[in-house]
Amino acid sequence: DAEITQSPRHKITETGRQVTLACHQTWNHNNMFWYRQDLGHGLRLIHYSYGVQDTNKGEVSDGYSVSRSNTEDLPLTLESAASSQTSVYFCASSGTGKDEKLFFGSGTQLSVL
Amino acid sequence: AQKVTQAQTEISVVEKEDVTLDCVYETRDTTYYLFWYKQPPSGELVFLIRRNSFDEQNEISGRYSWNFQKSTSSFNFTITASQVVDSAVYFCALSEFAVGNTPLVFGKGTRLSVIA
Repeated sequence: DAEITQSPRHKITETGRQVTLACHQTWNHNNMFWYRQDLGHGLRLIHYSYGVQDTNKGEVSDGYSVSRSNTEDLPLTLESAASSQTSVYFCASSGTGKDEKLFFGSGTQLSVL
Repeated sequence: AQKVTQAQTEISVVEKEDVTLDCVYETRDTTYYLFWYKQPPSGELVFLIRRNSFDEQNEISGRYSWNFQKSTSSFNFTITASQVVDSAVYFCALSEFAVGNTPLVFGKGTRLSVIA
């Protein structure tokens, strides 16, 4: 079965370190997204991509970057982790048909100490 | 700009009660899509429904029903005869359609607790 997987599930890092969260989907979806979930804020869009070599900034993109070198993967990099980036991160993907919906990964709990 | 408001932060009901979760949205587009997602305590996000702006028919799926009213920009979700397994955070979301769908904008969620 097609799926979307995130790794790691849990990560603890220190302030200032570079961290990369992986997202891999086997749906062959063109669209991929990164959201963060924080109490009181719901889900907020970080970055997204509509295809290979395409990346776009979302609502809360500062301090994050993504790259899309193939259809299956959209890694999220925190260039210099900050305590404010402690959060649960969700990756999602969707196709481009008119009945499409977002499929979410299981999330990555990131703690920046 | 698009915006989704879920004014109810937390709701607590006793099992078998009916409960309605409110969702109000803002958009300048005439073509858009509305969604509801469920996030149970295990943390995953589960798709419940997708509705486009041209379809104002109410939808019923078992104990779940959705009321879409363009006149009030609302897309409310009702659970009939609630059960403990319905305890979760529920998110309403909006996507505008221009050249392809824009990313979903989510409300802040409503935490529903169903007490046995």
